[in-house]
Amino acid sequence: GDSVTQMEGPVTLSEEAFLTINCTYTATGYPSLFWYVQYPGEGLQLLLKATKADDKGSNKGFEATYRKETTSFHLEKGSVQVSDSAVYFCALTGAGANSKLTFGKGITLSVRP
Amino acid sequence: GAGVSQTPSNKVTEKGKYVELRCDPISGHTALYWYRQSLGQGPEFLIYFQGTGAADDSGLPNDRFFAVRPEGSVSTLKIQRTERGDSAVYLCASSATSGGPPWAAQYFGPGTRLLVL
Repeated sequence: GDSVTQMEGPVTLSEEAFLTINCTYTATGYPSLFWYVQYPGEGLQLLLKATKADDKGSNKGFEATYRKETTSFHLEKGSVQVSDSAVYFCALTGAGANSKLTFGKGITLSVRP
Repeated sequence: GAGVSQTPSNKVTEKGKYVELRCDPISGHTALYWYRQSLGQGPEFLIYFQGTGAADDSGLPNDRFFAVRPEGSVSTLKIQRTERGDSAVYLCASSATSGGPPWAAQYFGPGTRLLVL
């Protein structure tokens, strides 16, 4: 079945550092790919998405590119802020009509001032 | 507008008891999902409703779990004979999709934290 693998965490960075969070997936067909974020005390929010190969999703300075050849969707940000401290989940929906999400384990990011 | 709401926010129960968890989706959203999130894990799919019917219940772990959505809006997740392993955060999400693109955004509620003693 479909699966998502995220790099092991947690990750701690200093403010203004460069961020990369790795995500790879296994799926049949052409899934859609997502990054969700959960800020402390809040619910899951969609951060960005990409629906086909080579698409780049972007939001709030974060970017991720759908790489079919490497089955990856790595999340990047050039300069993190303290307010980016959260748990980040990579997820996919299958190619069929059922749009249930399959999530990775999530990774906790802490940004120090 | 109002987002997805879930009640109660916390529920503590004893092993063997019955619990009901409620989800109010965003008004007009036809698709509704239940997920379960254990500590340190990502959410895992339980069941998906399109309107009143369960379109996919393949994620329900066993027959102690059941969910309904009788009028195509509010949904209730029901757990019979609760076990300690059922302790988790139960998340509800809704989406405006109606058999359309699978990439339509799912909007999540804050979750119900269930603790079975």
